Amino acid sequence: DVKVTQSSRYLVKRTGEKVFLECVQDMDHENMFWYRQDPGLGLRLIYFSYDVKMKEKGDIPEGYSVSREKKERFSLILESASTNQTSMYLCASRSHDSLYGYTFGSGTRLTVV
Amino acid sequence: SQQGEEDPQALSIQEGENATMNCSYKTSINNLQWYRQNSGRGLVHLILIRSNEREKHSGRLRVTLDTSKKSSSLLITASRAADTASYFCATQTGGGGGADGLTFGKGTHLIIQP
Repeated sequence: DVKVTQSSRYLVKRTGEKVFLECVQDMDHENMFWYRQDPGLGLRLIYFSYDVKMKEKGDIPEGYSVSREKKERFSLILESASTNQTSMYLCASRSHDSLYGYTFGSGTRLTVV
Repeated sequence: SQQGEEDPQALSIQEGENATMNCSYKTSINNLQWYRQNSGRGLVHLILIRSNEREKHSGRLRVTLDTSKKSSSLLITASRAADTASYFCATQTGGGGGADGLTFGKGTHLIIQP
């Protein structure tokens, strides 16, 4: 069964820490995405990547960076975690063929204290 | 920026009834997609309808798209308790091989009463 795997379901970090959220897909998809989901705000796109070492800013990239060194792995980095980055983070991937939807991971619920 | 907006925000119906959710969007799209999210989990892709399509079916799901009104509807027929979830519409403005993120609405929370 094809899947997108996020390394942690729950994470608690302290303010100021550098945080890495990892996402791995086994579908050989070119495109990968990071979203955050907050009550009342829905899903918002942070960053996406359409190829290895390529990245594009989404709607809310401030405070985040990403890394895509291998096709199957897309990492989201919080350079210095803050309490307003407490959220559910969702990774997704899809192939270049736009006829198919995205495959999402199960999400990482990050709490910054 | 928010593109899709679902209506209603919440819907509670009896098992066996049909559930209809609506989505409106603002700009021209390449396709529109519907996703389901069970509580605290990731999203699951349900159906994709392209801008040149007007209606699409998948099992108990029926999606319509009216590009002149910039709106879509998702109909779930003969609802089941397992259909309880949040449903999101998402629009894609680019197409082909380019990568561009989907823009999601805030979702409709559907509750099926047994």
